[in-house]
Amino acid sequence: DVKVTQSSRYLVKRTGEKVFLECVQDMDHENMFWYRQDPGLGLRLIYFSYDVKMKEKGDIPEGYSVSREKKERFSLILESASTNQTSMYLCATQGRGGVHYGYTFGSGTRLTVV
Amino acid sequence: GEDVEQSLFLSVREGDSSVINCTYTDSSSTYLYWYKQEPGAGLQLLTYIFSNMDMKQDQRLTVLLNKKDKHLSLRIADTQTGDSAIYFCAVSDSSNTGKLIFGQGTTLQVKP
Repeated sequence: DVKVTQSSRYLVKRTGEKVFLECVQDMDHENMFWYRQDPGLGLRLIYFSYDVKMKEKGDIPEGYSVSREKKERFSLILESASTNQTSMYLCATQGRGGVHYGYTFGSGTRLTVV
Repeated sequence: GEDVEQSLFLSVREGDSSVINCTYTDSSSTYLYWYKQEPGAGLQLLTYIFSNMDMKQDQRLTVLLNKKDKHLSLRIADTQTGDSAIYFCAVSDSSNTGKLIFGQGTTLQVKP
């Protein structure tokens, strides 16, 4: 089974800090995604990547950047954390082969910015 | 762009059947999925259906697809308290980028 590991389950950061959220997968999936989840708003796509060093903006990229230096690792960076970035962050991967193309999700990181 | 809609909340009694509904806008979506999210956790793939199928059954789960009406449903038979979770419908993006478009999620509450 694909394993998608997010480095922290809970994180508390101060306003203005630079925050790194890490996501590592172990099954050689090409595509990786970062979402944030807020009550009543569902999942909103922040950034995604189809390959190493490639990145594409999602629906809400403002205030975020990403890095994909290695295939297995996709990092989400909050350049200067703000309280409106308090949220649950979910990483997902997707392989291009196989029977279907569903995502595999990590357990999520609940970030609180104070 | 593609839009996926779900009702936000459903409450059932233990032992009853639950039906969670989803509508989508793009008829060219090839794959349609149901995910389950338990409290404090990530999303877990429950089941999926290809667009050339009308129905798929997997133990207590039945997925129905009405392509004409762009309507997808998930039926859970003999609902248990352990089924209490948020259920997300997702469809493949028609642009062939591989992206999935998610609904807002339906919170299923199962009362004993």
